[in-house]
Amino acid sequence: DAMVIQNPRYQVTQFGKPVTLSCSQTLNHNVMYWYQQKSSQAPKLLFHYYDKDFNNEADTPDNFQSRRPNTSFCFLDIRSPGLGDAAMYLCATSKWADTTDTQYFGPGTRLTVL
Amino acid sequence: RKEVEQDPGPFNVPEGATVAFNCTYSNSASQSFFWYRQDCRKEPKLLMSVYSSGNEDGRFTAQLNRASQYISLLIRDSKLSDSATYLCVVNPMNTGFQKLVFGTGTRLLVSP
Repeated sequence: DAMVIQNPRYQVTQFGKPVTLSCSQTLNHNVMYWYQQKSSQAPKLLFHYYDKDFNNEADTPDNFQSRRPNTSFCFLDIRSPGLGDAAMYLCATSKWADTTDTQYFGPGTRLTVL
Repeated sequence: RKEVEQDPGPFNVPEGATVAFNCTYSNSASQSFFWYRQDCRKEPKLLMSVYSSGNEDGRFTAQLNRASQYISLLIRDSKLSDSATYLCVVNPMNTGFQKLVFGTGTRLLVSP
């Protein structure tokens, strides 16, 4: 029973062609996060939503945007993907944003940029 | 200096061995600590939280040393299925938003 679902699992796009990655959750969690993980690197937080409140990390490029139309869904939009944006994109959720809350990760979307 | 540092390994151990990983963090105000496990090309999964008093979950023991700012993970009686990358994760925030800062991970290979 998948709790955090990401679609597609693999996405190939062309340099500069906008792409949208999808995340949905069945946990009814308030917080949804997007991480970028490049090969052999640590996951890096891009931004998160607490309910409808969007919180961008200071070093997240403007090329990355996000939407959360409802509690269950969150989207990551990459407006003009560059070769350096090829990575695994991980969605995670937590019930609250307390410091001890567990984050549950989806299986990720692996993005290839040609 | 990285916020969270780990030895990337790989640690190659035989089945049944005991292996320990350490991780150091730079922000002394960090409040929450975790170990996550990540299999190749899969998502991270929470292995265990790390408490000041230390905690144990079966074959896994986690310790926190605030004075020296390091966290350890001990795996006893290693199984083949323990082969994975172990991510040390720190939340540097002491209130409000939970931001997880990941280490790059320590790779463990358990052989027959």
